[in-house]
Amino acid sequence: DTGVSQDPRHKITKRGQNVTFRCDPISEHNRLYWYRQTLGQGPEFLTYFQNEAQLEKSRLLSDRFSAERPKGSFSTLEIQRTEQGDSAMYLCASSHPMREPFFGPGTRLTVL
Amino acid sequence: AQKVTQAQTEISVVEKEDVTLDCVYETRDTTYYLFWYKQPPSGELVFLIRRNSFDEQNEISGRYSWNFQKSTSSFNFTITASQVVDSAVYFCALSPRNRDDKIIFGKGTRLHILP
Repeated sequence: DTGVSQDPRHKITKRGQNVTFRCDPISEHNRLYWYRQTLGQGPEFLTYFQNEAQLEKSRLLSDRFSAERPKGSFSTLEIQRTEQGDSAMYLCASSHPMREPFFGPGTRLTVL
Repeated sequence: AQKVTQAQTEISVVEKEDVTLDCVYETRDTTYYLFWYKQPPSGELVFLIRRNSFDEQNEISGRYSWNFQKSTSSFNFTITASQVVDSAVYFCALSPRNRDDKIIFGKGTRLHILP
């Protein structure tokens, strides 16, 4: 039984660099979510996909952030011109519609 | 506006004690879902329960139980006979039933079970 997987698990980058994260959802799940979690806080919603369609984006998702799910399977989250404030855990989750999301292990981003 | 408040930032109990984690929520929706997730030191969020707002029956699963009281907008979580492996951060969360795509999380309660 494979759960949600994320790659890489850790990423250290310098301010101003671009980074891309990948999420592979549970195979039969057509919904995919991205959340961000900073230290001492609960996860905050960023965006979600139903199949390949991106249906909602949070105001937290500035123009430097872009997410894609080109074939309705895996998804990528790209951050351009990273800032120190982008340092966080980026969590991916997947689900069937109207069912609870299952989360991956997260990608911890550190921007120096 | 939707909001989840977990007033207990951190709790420490000795192993085998019972412990209750409090959760209070705010929503204007008449139907909604409530959740609890566990985040162990490894970092992965583990789903524990989802409860529909029209089902106020309490639920028990092994050493875990949940008390949902709509009148006080609370959805509390009790661990009976706690074990060291229960040490984790526990998150309560809420989503509107017609907008189940977006879950609003509380800030979490860090639970330490001392041997």
